[in-house]
Amino acid sequence: EPEVTQTPSHQVTQMGQEVILRCVPISNHLYFYWYRQILGQKVEFLVSFYNNEISEKSEIFDDQFSVERPDGSNFTLKIRSTKLEDSAMYFCASMVASGGSYEQYFGPGTRLTVT
Amino acid sequence: ELKVEQNPLFLSMQEGKNYTIYCNYSTTSDRLYWYRQDPGKSLESLFVLLSNGAVKQEGRLMASLDTKARLSTLHITAAVHDLSATYFCAVARPSGTYKYIFGTGTRLKVLA
Repeated sequence: EPEVTQTPSHQVTQMGQEVILRCVPISNHLYFYWYRQILGQKVEFLVSFYNNEISEKSEIFDDQFSVERPDGSNFTLKIRSTKLEDSAMYFCASMVASGGSYEQYFGPGTRLTVT
Repeated sequence: ELKVEQNPLFLSMQEGKNYTIYCNYSTTSDRLYWYRQDPGKSLESLFVLLSNGAVKQEGRLMASLDTKARLSTLHITAAVHDLSATYFCAVARPSGTYKYIFGTGTRLKVLA
């Protein structure tokens, strides 16, 4: 069964460093998302991406964040200058949006630790 | 802005007992999803509810959706220790980007 994959599973970085989180969505999916979950809290929407552009972003997704789909298979989230408060689990999701279910399929997550 | 609330936030229950988790949301949507999350793990899809009156069951879990009341329930029957986890509901915004708004989560602990 196709699945969303994410790398790395855990990333430790120092404050101020740039990080890139990578995702490979399910191949025929057209909508892509990043969500964030701070430890012990709920899952929060960061950004959605469709037709090679951002379709919506949350207040969390400020100028330090960017997304790209560089090669038609990978979907990346870049944080330019990490802060302590960026420490969280980051989930990628993708969706095909046909058949009416609009079900998003989530990857296993990348745990980002900023020290 | 769509808001999703769950209650209770924490639930400690004895094995063999029944209980219900509630998920309320603030604006119209007919797509609601339930997930299970074990500590440090990803989101495991449990149920996809797509219409008013939808009811789905899997093992000891049953989920329902009342779109008029903007309420979904996750009912646990005869709980067992393996059900200990955090349960989230998520509501899809009905148009545009179809982003999910997640509930606050219910941390369930089933005591042997």
